[in-house]
Amino acid sequence: ETGVTQSPTHLIKTRGQQVTLRCSSQSGHNTVSWYQQALGQGPQFIFQYYREEENGRGNFPPRFSGLQFPNYSSELNVNALELDDSALYLCASSRHSGGDYEQYFGPGTRLTVT
Amino acid sequence: DQQVKQNSPSLSVQEGRISILNCDYTNSMFDYFLWYKKYPAEGPTFLISISSIKDKNEDGRFTVFLNKSAKHLSLHIVPSQPGDSAVYFCAASAPPGDMRFGAGTRLTVKP
Repeated sequence: ETGVTQSPTHLIKTRGQQVTLRCSSQSGHNTVSWYQQALGQGPQFIFQYYREEENGRGNFPPRFSGLQFPNYSSELNVNALELDDSALYLCASSRHSGGDYEQYFGPGTRLTVT
Repeated sequence: DQQVKQNSPSLSVQEGRISILNCDYTNSMFDYFLWYKKYPAEGPTFLISISSIKDKNEDGRFTVFLNKSAKHLSLHIVPSQPGDSAVYFCAASAPPGDMRFGAGTRLTVKP
C-alpha cells in the first residue's frame, strides 16, 4: 500500500509569485485535505476535496485554491505569495466513510517566501 | 480562534512511567477526536482516536479518555518508552471534514 506523497520537498519563492504544491493520496483514499503548519504551531486546515469537489474550507483567503483529479491526487495553488505564507504544507488523505476521520499525512512541502 | 488547545508545550517523563498529555476544546460540534505523533521531517502519524459517543479507547500502551462535559481529552501512554519521544498533536473534527489541531506537546522520555 503506497502512502501519501508530496512534491516538491522544499521550495523557495519570492513575494508576489505563485506556487503549486502536489499530493498523491494513499491507495484506496478518495478524500484529500491540505494544512498549513507554521513554526511552533499545529497544522491549520486550509480545505478538503472529496471526489473532485471542495468539501470544506478553513479560514484562508481565496488566493489559496486547490484541485483534485480523477485519480484523487491533488494540487494546492497559492497566488500572490506573502512572507507569512512561509510554512510547512501538509497533505492528508482519508477514506470518506462517514465517521471515520482518520487522515494519513504526507511528509510535507517546506515553502519559504523571501 | 483556538478551538483546540494543548496548554503544555512540553512534558518530560522517565522511561517506564506514565505519560499524560492533555487537550481542551471549545466547539461542542466536534464529534471525533484524534491524537497524532510527529517526528522531525515527517508528517504527523495517526496514533489513536475516539468518537464522541465513547469516553475511553485503548490500543496497546495508548489510551485516550474523553470527558465531554469538561470538553477535555487526554492521552495516556503506559509504560513510556524512549521511542515515544516526539511532538503529540491533539485534533478534533466536525463534518464535513474540518479538522482542528492543537499546537502540540513535545514529549521527552528519558532512559
